[in-house]
Amino acid sequence: KQEVTQIPAALSVPEGENLVLNCSFTDSAIYNLQWFRQDPGKGLTSLLLIQSSQREQTSGRLNASLDKSSGRSTLYIAASQPGDSATYLCAVRLLSGNTGKLIFGQGTTLQVKP
Amino acid sequence: DAGVIQSPRHEVTEMGQEVTLRCKPISGHDYLFWYRQTMMRGLELLIYFNNNVPIDDSGMPEDRFSAKMPNASFSTLKIQPSEPRDSAVYFCASSLGHNNEQFFGPGTRLTVL
Repeated sequence: KQEVTQIPAALSVPEGENLVLNCSFTDSAIYNLQWFRQDPGKGLTSLLLIQSSQREQTSGRLNASLDKSSGRSTLYIAASQPGDSATYLCAVRLLSGNTGKLIFGQGTTLQVKP
Repeated sequence: DAGVIQSPRHEVTEMGQEVTLRCKPISGHDYLFWYRQTMMRGLELLIYFNNNVPIDDSGMPEDRFSAKMPNASFSTLKIQPSEPRDSAVYFCASSLGHNNEQFFGPGTRLTVL
C-alpha cells in the first residue's frame, strides 16, 4: 500500500531564507507526483507536476525534484516571502490500477516571518 | 474559465438530515474527483468519475454516501442520513485525462451537529 509522508509537519523561517520541503513515498511505482499549496480555509492550488521520467520541474522561485528510486521528492522555495505562508501538500499518482487516484501526504505548514 | 465551482461553501445541519453537495467541473475536463479532508485523516479520495461514469468508489465510507454525475458539467455528493463524524471539508476536483494536473474547487465545509 502506497504511503506518503511529509516531514516536518510545520516549519517557521525568516523572510528571505531558502528552504526545502520533503516528501517521501513507499512504493516507487508512481506515474507522477504533484505539489499543491493550500491556504487556510481555501482549496488546493497546483504548483508543479513531475512525471516519473523527469528529475525536476521549475516554476518561478519553486523547484521540485523527484528521485523515484529512493522514493523522495523535495520542493525548494528560494528567497521565501510572507506570502509563501501556507500548507504544502505532495501527492503521488499510482502507476497501475486506478491511475486517476492521488495519494496525499499530510502536508507541511510553512510560516514565513517578515 | 471560472475553475471548479462548489456549493454551498458552508453547510451546517443536524444529525440525521440529508446533505447534498454540488460541483461543477472545469469545462472540457473528463475526470471528476470527490475528496474529504479532516485533521485526523488528511485528504482522502472518496470517488472519481470518467466521462460521467464512476470508476473507483472504494473510498466512499459507507452506504450513507452516494455520488452522481448526470452530465459532464454537474456532480453531487449526498450523505443520508448525516452523522457528526461526517463533519469535514469536501473538495471536488477535475482534470483533463487521468494523469494530468487536478484542479480543486474551494471546498464545502460541512458541520453536522
